[in-house]
Amino acid sequence: EAQVTQNPRYLITVTGKKLTVTCSQNMNHEYMSWYRQDPGLGLRQIYYSMNVEVTDKGDVPEGYKVSRKEKRNFPLILESPSPNQTSLYFCASSLTLAGLGETQYFGPGTRLLVL
Amino acid sequence: AQTVTQSQPEMSVQEAETVTLSCTYDTSENNYYLFWYKQPPSRQMILVIRQEAYKQQNATENRFSVNFQKAAKSFSLKISDSQLGDTAMYFCAFGAGNNRKLIWGLGTSLAVNP
Repeated sequence: EAQVTQNPRYLITVTGKKLTVTCSQNMNHEYMSWYRQDPGLGLRQIYYSMNVEVTDKGDVPEGYKVSRKEKRNFPLILESPSPNQTSLYFCASSLTLAGLGETQYFGPGTRLLVL
Repeated sequence: AQTVTQSQPEMSVQEAETVTLSCTYDTSENNYYLFWYKQPPSRQMILVIRQEAYKQQNATENRFSVNFQKAAKSFSLKISDSQLGDTAMYFCAFGAGNNRKLIWGLGTSLAVNP
């Protein structure tokens, strides 16, 4: 089944404890992206990747890191999480670089609580 | 700056009736795409329908259709024969530019009542 998977789905952690949220897609998509969703602010892009070893900042990259060593994986790293990073996180991917309108497919979301 | 506005925070409709959700956007781009995504209580983000700006014909997907007015920068979603499973948050999104970033509205919470 074609899908984007994220792990973990739920995470409670404490300030300053490094964590990684994994994202994997099995559709051979080149483009991958991370969003966070907050009440009243909607979805905002954190980082994106156009291809392997090519990543760039979105609108709210502070406090996050990403890497794209393999086409299928795009982990989100919080080196020192803070309470303002409590949010619902989505990973998304889309097919090719050819068209601007390629549909982005979303993972199930990761709900993070930083105490 | 590109923006997407959904002016109806909440809406409700009776089962089997028709409802229209509004979306307006602001851009100077000529080549772009518009999307409606649905987020049910499970929080999964699901594509409902998409529209290419260069196409004059409005997109349709079964009970879902759009009214795309390019000059007015309006992109409304019509849901016909509403079903209980349509209860969800609906987001309008705009995509343009090489970074593929989607600009999102704040959503409309739709409740379908039996």
